Amino acid sequence: AQTVTQSQPEMSVQEAETVTLSCTYDTSESNYYLFWYKQPPSRQMILVIRQEAYKQQNATENRFSVNFQKAAKSFSLKISDSQLGDTAMYFCALRVGYQKVTFGIGTKLQVIP
Amino acid sequence: GAGVSQSPRYKVAKRGQDVALRCDPISGHVSLFWYQQALGQGPEFLTYFQNEAQLDKSGLPSDRFFAERPEGSVSTLKIQRTQQEDSAVYLCASTRGGGPLYEQYFGPGTRLTVT
Repeated sequence: AQTVTQSQPEMSVQEAETVTLSCTYDTSESNYYLFWYKQPPSRQMILVIRQEAYKQQNATENRFSVNFQKAAKSFSLKISDSQLGDTAMYFCALRVGYQKVTFGIGTKLQVIP
Repeated sequence: GAGVSQSPRYKVAKRGQDVALRCDPISGHVSLFWYQQALGQGPEFLTYFQNEAQLDKSGLPSDRFFAERPEGSVSTLKIQRTQQEDSAVYLCASTRGGGPLYEQYFGPGTRLTVT
């Protein structure tokens, strides 16, 4: 069974500052994929960034980057130069092969002007 | 093109009623997922289709829940004899390909309230 843990229910950050959201996971599989999804107040979830477990290089998408520590089973999301539009729920997710996707409970991020 | 759409957006059902929730994925998308999201929680996987084949239904909480995608496009999630614990937002997502790395495109969800 797979589990995803997000231990920060809420976080806040000043506009233009940097914030890091934490995620740990557990799986016994070696072939898996990790994702961060954003769910703004309108509720339509969108993909922020994804990482293949077999790749050592951390994924980056513009202001978003991850710190993937495979041995520690950690997958944190760093948001640089935070913008008001980054205010949302952020979900960490794990997929093993073609199996189901397991989501964490989410972290509510508030960007303060 | 249009994104994933779901209907109805809101549904109120009396306990014991049957409901049917519809998902229209992005045209041509191969895979389709259903999730249940309770208030303040992350989405919980229900079931997954690749084209018309239901490859994983391990997340369906009971035999009252049934999903189908007969022609590999539109999908329906049916809940029989609804109970209060079924109250949640039901999310549908589709992916362009069948592989695990493909981005999931989510619909706006159907908020089901069982009274």
